[in-house]
Amino acid sequence: DTGVSQDPRHKITKRGQNVTFRCDPISEHNRLYWYRQTLGQGPEFLTYFQNEAQLEKSRLLSDRFSAERPKGSFSTLEIQRTEQGDSAMYLCASSSWDRDLYGYTFGSGTRLTVV
Amino acid sequence: AQSVTQLGSHVSVSEGALVLLRCNYSSSVPPYLFWYVQYPNQGLQLLLKYTSAATLVKGINGFEAEFKKSETSFHLTKPSAHMSDAAEYFCAVSEGTGRRALTFGSGTRLQVQP
Repeated sequence: DTGVSQDPRHKITKRGQNVTFRCDPISEHNRLYWYRQTLGQGPEFLTYFQNEAQLEKSRLLSDRFSAERPKGSFSTLEIQRTEQGDSAMYLCASSSWDRDLYGYTFGSGTRLTVV
Repeated sequence: AQSVTQLGSHVSVSEGALVLLRCNYSSSVPPYLFWYVQYPNQGLQLLLKYTSAATLVKGINGFEAEFKKSETSFHLTKPSAHMSDAAEYFCAVSEGTGRRALTFGSGTRLQVQP
């Protein structure tokens, strides 16, 4: 078990471009979460999946953001038409609903810089 | 609704001194409470969690926290600070139903002076 992997670790993009991040959770974990963390703040919840079903979305997840977990394994988070305010660390976490719901394991994050 | 307030965005202690990081929560249902640590450019690591069992929770690296319902608090302590404890610490809350994700506080940066 290699933990939660996020790719890329860093992404610099120009305003208006689309970006996509990937998260590979721990293989037996059926829950997957996305959080956003801006400088000097705690992580803010964006959305979570149980298997392939997206069960909750935060109001922070504007229509420019979309997340998928098509086969209940890895997940992608896409941001369309990026804005400077999207610059943040995007964190992924996974847990097991039936064994240890709050035994979250976080990935190291993807740091997005929009220039 | 659930929320967390961490008092003090920066705390500085001397090596060997007591560490006390404060966290107050608000939750409309019995909460589950967590402390996480984050080192620069890394994800979050769970230090400890309260899930309605013993009110005094012991975690990793010598940290512990006490759930006080009457004070709606979950302060993190460590008897003797080590240089390696310097990091950002986050308190988080969730309803115990599993329907909601974690809500984090804004964090406390701990500095340890030699």
